[in-house]
Amino acid sequence: NAGVTQTPKFQVLKTGQSMTLQCAQDMNHNSMYWYRQDPGMGLRLIYYSASEGTTDKGEVPNGYNVSRLNKREFSLRLESAAPSQTSVYFCASIQGGVLETQYFGPGTRLLVL
Amino acid sequence: KQEVTQIPAALSVPEGENLVLNCSFTDSAIYNLQWFRQDPGKGLTSLLLIQSSQREQTSGRLNASLDKSSGRSTLYIAASQPGDSATYLCAVRSGGSNYKLTFGKGTLLTVNP
Repeated sequence: NAGVTQTPKFQVLKTGQSMTLQCAQDMNHNSMYWYRQDPGMGLRLIYYSASEGTTDKGEVPNGYNVSRLNKREFSLRLESAAPSQTSVYFCASIQGGVLETQYFGPGTRLLVL
Repeated sequence: KQEVTQIPAALSVPEGENLVLNCSFTDSAIYNLQWFRQDPGKGLTSLLLIQSSQREQTSGRLNASLDKSSGRSTLYIAASQPGDSATYLCAVRSGGSNYKLTFGKGTLLTVNP
């Protein structure tokens, strides 16, 4: 099992450009999450998908959109990137129930100039 | 709104020392609390999960305790090793069926040989 995979690993954008961060999990988990991690701010939830076909806003959703393409894939889109979106983005998934540890991907480092 | 605080922000200890990392949360109505490890440039790895009804969990040299009423958790690392050097993050789930976590900012641990 690859677990949670994210692409790309690193990206540089210019202000106003758009891009989609991809996340996939092969553990048949129901719920998936997107976080951003900034120095001094910890991890903050951007959006999550409790199950296939549903998405909800987290703590910092502005400037982002998401798509739960199927049970495996959950993408995060920046329509018009801003320097404030420079961050490390993590995707996570969880099956739920008793064993509810979240499994994290390796992260995508995004620099917006 | 749940807030999670971790003290200290950074800790440097000699190899072999026993150490304690602290986590506090403002809303005691939690479902569970988790401790994660993050290596530089990597994603998060779950170390221990404590349900709200439990007082502690142990895994090898790690022991996590939970005092829900006072809003505190500690992670005890016995006989620290240089390989334990990483950032340790505390996260709480505050209930509901969406498994959302609120993270602390982490403690950066350095174990010196």
